[in-house]
Amino acid sequence: SQQGEEDPQALSIQEGENATMNCSYKTSINNLQWYRQNSGRGLVHLILIRSNEREKHSGRLRVTLDTSKKSSSLLITASRAADTASYFCATLGNNAGNMLTFGGGTRLMVKP
Amino acid sequence: DAGVIQSPRHEVTEMGQEVTLRCKPISGHNSLFWYRQTMMRGLELLIYFNNNVPIDDSGMPEDRFSAKMPNASFSTLKIQPSEPRDSAVYFCASSVPLSNYGYTFGSGTRLTVV
Repeated sequence: SQQGEEDPQALSIQEGENATMNCSYKTSINNLQWYRQNSGRGLVHLILIRSNEREKHSGRLRVTLDTSKKSSSLLITASRAADTASYFCATLGNNAGNMLTFGGGTRLMVKP
Repeated sequence: DAGVIQSPRHEVTEMGQEVTLRCKPISGHNSLFWYRQTMMRGLELLIYFNNNVPIDDSGMPEDRFSAKMPNASFSTLKIQPSEPRDSAVYFCASSVPLSNYGYTFGSGTRLTVV
């Protein structure tokens, strides 16, 4: 079953614009992670935010977490064509051991 | 480190044949996961090992699927007999529990059953 659900399912923007993807989940979590998947490749871990954190930055990535709304957002600033990929959120539940639950992903296309 | 290594990268087989997918996790990662990805169903967790012991296999579709982890550096996922609906990309991932760095995924095995 999928805990995280991304929104939108697909997003198309011009190079240089910002891209925002959202993730909602249902149960309490230990942490939430974002992954990128380029076509034909495995998922790559981007960033992890813990349940007691509200915002985290890594380069052009900014992640926010609102545990009261059970939602997170991933912002990619100054997008590049190379950012074209699918982006997945994944949640680690409080009683899930080390087992992440992935959402369905957002397909991002950045046009040059 | 070469990352998580999966073999083969591509597999085409006939319905009814046995298929074995292989995975070498990152050294020191004591959690290993097998996922299946399709357009229709997205990314599904099949089975999860911790310290070579299967912890959760509730995602294994049916008895035709089996997974083993005989040691910390090797795992297999076997499908016997294979069916066309098993066609998918199968990913292996490994991690250190509760690490800040999440899971490391392999490049996947694209399985086509004809």
